[in-house]
Amino acid sequence: GENVEQHPSTLSVQEGDSAVIKCTYSDSASNYFPWYKQELGKRPQLIIDIRSNVGEKKDQRIAVTLNKTAKHFSLHITETQPEDSAVYFCAASYYGKLTFGQGTILTVHP
Amino acid sequence: ETGVTQSPTHLIKTRGQQVTLRCSSQSGHNTVSWYQQALGQGPQFIFQYYREEENGRGNFPPRFSGLQFPNYSSELNVNALELDDSALYLCASSRYDSTDTQYFGPGTRLTVL
Repeated sequence: GENVEQHPSTLSVQEGDSAVIKCTYSDSASNYFPWYKQELGKRPQLIIDIRSNVGEKKDQRIAVTLNKTAKHFSLHITETQPEDSAVYFCAASYYGKLTFGQGTILTVHP
Repeated sequence: ETGVTQSPTHLIKTRGQQVTLRCSSQSGHNTVSWYQQALGQGPQFIFQYYREEENGRGNFPPRFSGLQFPNYSSELNVNALELDDSALYLCASSRYDSTDTQYFGPGTRLTVL
């Protein structure tokens, strides 16, 4: 089955810096790659996603890139703010079954 | 916030008991997926329901079972509870034409003693 590896497990940045989280997946049949943000005690919130026919997608301060050949995808957050502090999960999907990475705890220091 | 709701919020059971968790999908969504999230881990796929039938299952034993109703709401049933079943149980709903774009409910925190 699919296996998703996510790095780093923790990331600490200063407010205004950029943050990058990377994931690799194993199943070349996966064709949809969402990113979720989960604040403490809350539900995972879909923040951005990308399909396998697209290489990059941007939404304001957030961008996701996908390298299908290398089976890598990454989340980029620019101009980080303290409210970006949360756990971020990447996932890979094939026909609606999401396989998640282990999560990255992002801390943005004011 | 999504329109996905779950009940109850918290639940405490003892080993060997049975539990039923409930999920109401977002308006316009007809597919429900269930996930188990252990502390400090990413969610793990249990199964998905579409048109009242199981439409894919993860690596969970048969004592995890589910139902979907005509109004697209869903139940997760777990029999013979084990200590390792303690986790946050999340449901996610999606549209028939985009089953992998999933929106999560707030979850049910299950503690097995």
